[in-house]
Amino acid sequence: EPEVTQTPSHQVTQMGQEVILRCVPISNHLYFYWYRQILGQKVEFLVSFYNNEISEKSEIFDDQFSVERPDGSNFTLKIRSTKLEDSAMYFCASSEALLGTSVETQYFGPGTRLLVL
Amino acid sequence: QKEVEQNSGPLSVPEGAIASLNCTYSDRVSQSFFWYRQYSGKSPELIMSIYSNGDKEDGRFTAQLNKASQYVSLLIRDSQPSDSATYLCAVNIPPGLAGGSYIPTFGRGTSLIVHP
Repeated sequence: EPEVTQTPSHQVTQMGQEVILRCVPISNHLYFYWYRQILGQKVEFLVSFYNNEISEKSEIFDDQFSVERPDGSNFTLKIRSTKLEDSAMYFCASSEALLGTSVETQYFGPGTRLLVL
Repeated sequence: QKEVEQNSGPLSVPEGAIASLNCTYSDRVSQSFFWYRQYSGKSPELIMSIYSNGDKEDGRFTAQLNKASQYVSLLIRDSQPSDSATYLCAVNIPPGLAGGSYIPTFGRGTSLIVHP
């Protein structure tokens, strides 16, 4: 069964450093998402992406964050200058169709646990 | 701020019992509702989606939706210790008058413990 994959599974970085989290969505999916989950808290939407541009972003997704689809398979989340409060689990997801349609199911990757020291 | 509310629990039920998990949402025009299961340290795993008022059954799981009251629930019949996890309710919040895309919004989750 196709699945979303994410690398690395764990990332430790120093405050102020840049990190890039990578995701490979399911191959025929066209819509991609990033979420974060701070330990013990709820899953929070960061950004959705379609056709090489951002469809929607939350208040969390400020200028420190960027997303890119550098090639036909990878989808990346970059945090330019990490802060302590960026420590969280970051999940990538993909869906075949646009949210709000009948085939909108999102499939989540296993996550990258980011720890900022 | 569009909210999805869940009781954090833990909800503790004996093996074989029915577990009932509830969720309320604030945006009256929401149309898509989801229940996910999340084991500790793992990603959310979709259990059920529901779009219409009433019940939707899938194996031991039944999702119930009442749009007038703005709540959605999940019943787990014949609960097993392997069902012990956090259950996340999610709602795709429609774009506002300014346009945009749907925003998936999650509740904090209810921790379920099924004891033998």
